[in-house]
Amino acid sequence: QKEVEQNSGPLSVPEGAIASLNCTYSDRGSQSFFWYRQYSGKSPELIMSIYSNGDKEDGRFTAQLNKASQYVSLLIRDSQPSDSATYLCAVNNFNKFYFGSGTKLNVKP
Amino acid sequence: EAEVAQSPRYKITEKSQAVAFWCDPISGHATLYWYRQILGQGPELLVQFQDESVVDDSQLPKDRFSAERLKGVDSTLKIQPAELGDSAMYLCASSYHRGGELFFGEGSRLTVL
Repeated sequence: QKEVEQNSGPLSVPEGAIASLNCTYSDRGSQSFFWYRQYSGKSPELIMSIYSNGDKEDGRFTAQLNKASQYVSLLIRDSQPSDSATYLCAVNNFNKFYFGSGTKLNVKP
Repeated sequence: EAEVAQSPRYKITEKSQAVAFWCDPISGHATLYWYRQILGQGPELLVQFQDESVVDDSQLPKDRFSAERLKGVDSTLKIQPAELGDSAMYLCASSYHRGGELFFGEGSRLTVL
């Protein structure tokens, strides 16, 4: 079983819609959680971090954490074509980071 | 804006040759990571430094890979000899402290022919 699981997609949404990206992790003791955006051929770029249960909002992005269900999600409101990328979920477990394989998001104009 | 510097951006080499990558983390970041990312997969940790000390190199293929961070600032990752399966993006990241947010450099894309 992988430490971090993500649906590879692609997830296709129309411009202006809400995109919902999901991630599950295997180790209940994981402490902190991150979402990265990676454009094709580029390096990962940090979007958000979340450390406690609940929601965290930053502009059009909302991260949601449910430690009981071992589930992290990222909502992107008013999706734009420029949001088309691969989104990586990362989990920190005792100072070791585990990355999912990413979900590819396509936002259609 | 502070950023992680990496070089070279692209490297093409023949198998059995030696290759080296360099990374300069964000100033003040004590923790430095080298990751390898194969197309379609997430980054996988090769080695993690805390200052000049290696804290995790359990996934580093030590028969051919080496990494150092002699003065606790910049770092070099070396592969010798390179193999076809080493073709990947090599990413350097740094964080202010262990477990903190990772910030990645632009990466070094290696192609082994």
